[in-house]
Amino acid sequence: DTGVSQDPRHKITKRGQNVTFRCDPISEHNRLYWYRQTLGQGPEFLTYFQNEAQLEKSRLLSDRFSAERPKGSFSTLEIQRTEQGDSAMYLCALPGPEKLFFGSGTQLSVL
Amino acid sequence: SQQGEEDPQALSIQEGENATMNCSYKTSINNLQWYRQNSGRGLVHLILIRSNEREKHSGRLRVTLDTSKKSSSLLITASRAADTASYFCATDAAGSARQLTFGSGTQLTVLP
Repeated sequence: DTGVSQDPRHKITKRGQNVTFRCDPISEHNRLYWYRQTLGQGPEFLTYFQNEAQLEKSRLLSDRFSAERPKGSFSTLEIQRTEQGDSAMYLCALPGPEKLFFGSGTQLSVL
Repeated sequence: SQQGEEDPQALSIQEGENATMNCSYKTSINNLQWYRQNSGRGLVHLILIRSNEREKHSGRLRVTLDTSKKSSSLLITASRAADTASYFCATDAAGSARQLTFGSGTQLTVLP
């Protein structure tokens, strides 16, 4: 148990549809990270939150992507007008002492 | 973007043999970490080595770091079938707010 729950585990959608993923930390954490992992590659940083504030965004996060953390607890990642290139595993992570604890991720498939 | 490359991309060994994976990176780092990922799951932290350390051990894991060559290696001794997974190195750069940069990973298969 990594202390991070992600929902859904799998999402299949058609190109052009909007999707939303959710990350729920089991306990309070000031910081929360989102990463994206495509097949055969390591995770790539997307964005992170310090409480409710989104402090850094990767260039990978196009205008179609939006992330929120309304009360500094759970976070959502929305992708609008999905494209086939958005197919990937979306991972949420929480900081531990000099490490990250990752959730099991949401596997997105865009048909 | 990926920090660097891992070598080999895939490794297949027999149970009981040792497995060595290498990682190269590009920028100055605070520390380097290794993570393991089972198929379709999240990543699990294995071991961390600081930039001023050269070698570290944890159970069957041995990590080395050569900051002059910007490279690290992970050795798994006496491998088991349960070690089958993808292994990623990740660097924690100065001023990164603990944003990790991952390598492309090594897929290890341990045959029983």
